Amino acid sequence: DIQMTQSPASLSASLEEIVTITCQASQDIGNYLSWYQQKPGKSPQLLIHSATSLADGVPSRFSGSRSGTQYSLKINRLQVEDTGIYYCLQHYSAPLTFGSGTKLEIK
Amino acid sequence: EVQLVETGGGLVQPGKSLKLTCATSGFTFSTAWMHWVRQSPEKRLEWIARIKDKSNNYATDYVESVKGRFTISRDDSKSSVYLQMNSLKEEDTATYYCTNNYGNYWGQGVMVTVSS
Repeated sequence: DIQMTQSPASLSASLEEIVTITCQASQDIGNYLSWYQQKPGKSPQLLIHSATSLADGVPSRFSGSRSGTQYSLKINRLQVEDTGIYYCLQHYSAPLTFGSGTKLEIK
Repeated sequence: EVQLVETGGGLVQPGKSLKLTCATSGFTFSTAWMHWVRQSPEKRLEWIARIKDKSNNYATDYVESVKGRFTISRDDSKSSVYLQMNSLKEEDTATYYCTNNYGNYWGQGVMVTVSS
């Protein structure tokens, strides 16, 4: 199975700050990587698909990048509504696997 | 408007069975690959099963921890996907979501609690 190592586990940042969350895949997964945001009591919401493509309706301050088997989610100009838990998901091969999540809070 | 609505959750004793239903509308279900994902009380997300469409022979995949116990199925005439869960264990306690292959549509989730 492909392991997705996500870091950091938690993050506290100030408004307007830039934050980065990373996922390291245990093997090549190409661009079969998605990022999700989950708010309390809600279902996960797709932010980024295909490693770098912004999902419909997602603010442009979110972006995804890839360097080899390391994937990053960057949030520019952090806003209050960005609090939540962020997860990566590899869908290169079954079983699909999620990262362990990053809890983001605003200072 | 796209809707995915999961039903069938509840409290069940270890070793018992439960069947979840995800009723969908607003998108072309018949060609969609569908998934079940669960979230533990500790907020860990775990993909558990996928079913492909008719053109892919309704092929299924499962995570190892549920193989032989859970069965994913679908009824294209009802735009619904199902998860039959047998021999339930306490570690199956979670909120269960259905989602489409692109991950842009999710249900609201249904709670399953396995406890004696």
